Amino acid sequence: QQQVKQSPQSLIVQKGGISIINCAYENTAFDYFPWYQQFPGKGPALLIAIRPDVSEKKEGRFTISFNKSAKQFSLHIMDSQPGDSATYFCAASKAAGNKLTFGGGTRVLVKP
Amino acid sequence: GAVVSQHPSRVICKSGTSVKIECRSLDFQATTMFWYRQFPKQSLMLMATSNEGSKATYEQGVEKDKFLINHASLTLSTLTVTSAHPEDSSFYICSASQANAGNQPQHFGDGTRLSIL
Repeated sequence: QQQVKQSPQSLIVQKGGISIINCAYENTAFDYFPWYQQFPGKGPALLIAIRPDVSEKKEGRFTISFNKSAKQFSLHIMDSQPGDSATYFCAASKAAGNKLTFGGGTRVLVKP
Repeated sequence: GAVVSQHPSRVICKSGTSVKIECRSLDFQATTMFWYRQFPKQSLMLMATSNEGSKATYEQGVEKDKFLINHASLTLSTLTVTSAHPEDSSFYICSASQANAGNQPQHFGDGTRLSIL
């Protein structure tokens, strides 16, 4: 059972454009929703995270939108840059330090 | 802060060899560490939760005798792939979160690329 579904699988964006990645979860016990960025051959790096008590969180060019009733959350990358080209994973857990359930990942390519 | 180090970064060895991978939290203590496996172009799959001073908790379908986990201190967990075979070739990644600090996020190591010939 895939508890966190992520879409799209891949995304091509022009430099300066907005990258949007969506995730949906099933387990209502999830209480912590991070996004990770992974470059080839490296481990995932935490980008931004949100808890269900807020509907939006912004850090620099990265924004998470959260819809608790729909059990969906999304990552928006504003002013996308070629250096943002990477694989992005959403995840969910019952608390920040608990085991994570990952979405399938989205490969983002930002064209110059 | 919150640096997690994995060693080695890459291993190539013959079938039947046992391989040990180390995961260290460099600037914080971690009572819990996690081990993941990632195949090319796929997501991370949790293998086991490593608990300091106690037995690891394995996810369904992960062979305990195949993937031995030891968490002997608050800064070190090891994963040993015993009698490795080509199908064990994969990217293994560990993560850790700071102990006793209340809802701290997981930080990941840079992974170990294991290739079994």
